[in-house]
Parts: sequence; C-alpha cells; structure tokens
Amino acid sequence: ETGVTQTPRHLVMGMTNKKSLKCEQHLGHNAMYWYKQSAKKPLELMFVYSLEERVENNSVPSRFSPECPNSSHLFLHLHTLQPEDSALYLCASSQTYKPSGSDSYEQYFGPGTRLTVT
Amino acid sequence: AQTVTQSQPEMSVQEAETVTLSCTYDTSENNYYLFWYKQPPSRQMILVIRQEAYKQQNATENRFSVNFQKAAKSFSLKISDSQLGDTAMYFCAFMKPYSGYALNFGKGTSLLVTP
Repeated sequence: ETGVTQTPRHLVMGMTNKKSLKCEQHLGHNAMYWYKQSAKKPLELMFVYSLEERVENNSVPSRFSPECPNSSHLFLHLHTLQPEDSALYLCASSQTYKPSGSDSYEQYFGPGTRLTVT
Repeated sequence: AQTVTQSQPEMSVQEAETVTLSCTYDTSENNYYLFWYKQPPSRQMILVIRQEAYKQQNATENRFSVNFQKAAKSFSLKISDSQLGDTAMYFCAFMKPYSGYALNFGKGTSLLVTP
C-alpha cells in the first residue's frame, strides 16, 4: 500500500449504529486530519492530530470521536449519527516538521469513505 | 478565520486551450501557504500546485501556473494546453503554518474539458 488509504470506501449505517472509519498513511508523516465533504459546502476540517496529539477540534459534535493510536493510523468512531452527517469523509496526512527545515506542508489525501446515514 | 472564495462554480474549456480559475482569500496573516487541489470524478484529492506567501515568484508545475497577487489577496490558477484528464473539481486552499496546519478550502470550481 502506498500513500493514504481509507476503509471502508462505502458505509451505510442506521442512526443507532456504531461504526468506525479507518485511515492509514504510508508516507512517514507526523500529522493527520479528518475532513468532511458535503454537497454544496466547502470541505470542513474536523480534527487535526500532530505527533499523535489532538491539536484541533473544529466544533465537531460528540457523536464523532477521533482516535490516533500512532502516527500512521487515524480512526473516526461514529455513534448515533444523524442523516445530515451523510457525506464523504476524507483523511489526509502531512509532514509539519523536517529537521532539514525544508517544510512543505502539503497534505496528501485518501480516497475517502462515502457515508450514508439512514 | 480565513475565508477562501472561488467565484466560478463551473467552467468549461476546449482541449488544448487555456483556462484560468480564480481564487481570493481574506487574511490578516503575513506568512501563509496557498494550494490548488484537484479532485477528479474518482474522488482522490490531488495537489496541483502550492505557493508560499513570502515568495514573490509565481509557482509553476508543467502546464499549471499561478498568478499570486499578495496585496490583492488573489491566487488564480492557469491551466495551459488543457487535456481531457484535467476535468475535475478544483479547490483553492489556504493554510497558516504553526497553528494546526489545517487547510481552509473554497467551495470549488467544476472544470469540464471538452474535445
């Protein structure tokens, strides 16, 4: 596997279900991100993890719970979601610090998980 | 919070022609990064080009180039010799380093390249 992978690619869940989205990056990056992409809205940042610590939580409802067990893996745990949570959930990673000082900051994205809440 | 505006929801260009996508942003920061990302129908978001605000020279990547006007807070993308594979959503994004490194995206421009 190369780059950023996400599983599952598609998920349909009821409002009372509990599920998890998984993201894995194979780029040696130190930061990972969750974004939500809804129709007719800009991509919205949800969470940022840098060096496995959450550094940003963009006013996301508590029914979304992130977990970053190590620098290569990121999870998004879902419970009691609402239909308006249906969207494409994108994971990304980046390198925010390089000893050489040549930081580039660009984020590499996974293919996304298409979530439908019924 | 920084806002990014892409005023062209949809654009169309013929193959081999040149097209320019516009982007403006609002910030009080002096040090920041700007990016153009491409999202083809397959949904994988791909970086097209980036620009550091402290660099006056416009970035170029093969057929893609930007016109960065810092004072006007404008960051347009020019695609030369358009190809069918350039059909995609194009997103302009702003990033402030050393503060979460998150990207603020515009709403996107849907570009269709026609034969």
